[in-house]
Amino acid sequence: DGGITQSPKYLFRKEGQNVTLSCEQNLNHDAMYWYRQDPGQGLRLIYYSQIVNDFQKGDIAEGYSVSREKKESFPLTVTSAQKNPTAFYLCASNRDGASPLHFGNGTRLTVT
Amino acid sequence: EDQVTQSPEALRLQEGESSSLNCSYTVSGLRGLFWYRQDPGKGPEFLFTLYSAGEEKEKERLKATLTKKESFLHITAPKPEDSATYLCAGTNFGNEKLTFGTGTRLTIIP
Repeated sequence: DGGITQSPKYLFRKEGQNVTLSCEQNLNHDAMYWYRQDPGQGLRLIYYSQIVNDFQKGDIAEGYSVSREKKESFPLTVTSAQKNPTAFYLCASNRDGASPLHFGNGTRLTVT
Repeated sequence: EDQVTQSPEALRLQEGESSSLNCSYTVSGLRGLFWYRQDPGKGPEFLFTLYSAGEEKEKERLKATLTKKESFLHITAPKPEDSATYLCAGTNFGNEKLTFGTGTRLTIIP
């Protein structure tokens, strides 16, 4: 079955450490996205990529970095510069901007 | 700036009690309006896309409608398994980004 795989499901880190969240898709979608979800807030876009080796900042990119070396993969690094990293992170993909997003099941990151 | 507002924040219904969720949007040049369902601890699951005012789409007990200013998700005779958070999002012709509402948390009581 095609879909998006995010790993790990839960991640715990100490403050000051960088951490990388994995996102892999086998839907053959060109576009991939990272969102952050916090209680009481809508999903907020961190970064997106419409093609391999190219990506754009979303609305809340500060303290995050991404790479897109392969069509299937779009890892997100949460750096120590992110002031409030504890959140639920969602990866998504779609065929193009007008198509529905397909989401993974998220990674819950806790930084203490 | 594009904005999507959902109401109510939370809704509790008895099993079988029909109701509607609202999504009002100010998206210049709306390209598409999307509805998603999200269960706790999971990613959102796509339900519907609406493209133009007057359009309606149905799936089981759910029906989504679109006007020039808002969208409704009607739920008819809901069951406990319909309990979830329902998210609405809009995209415009100017960019490839979705603007999400904060969702309506729906609880169906047996």
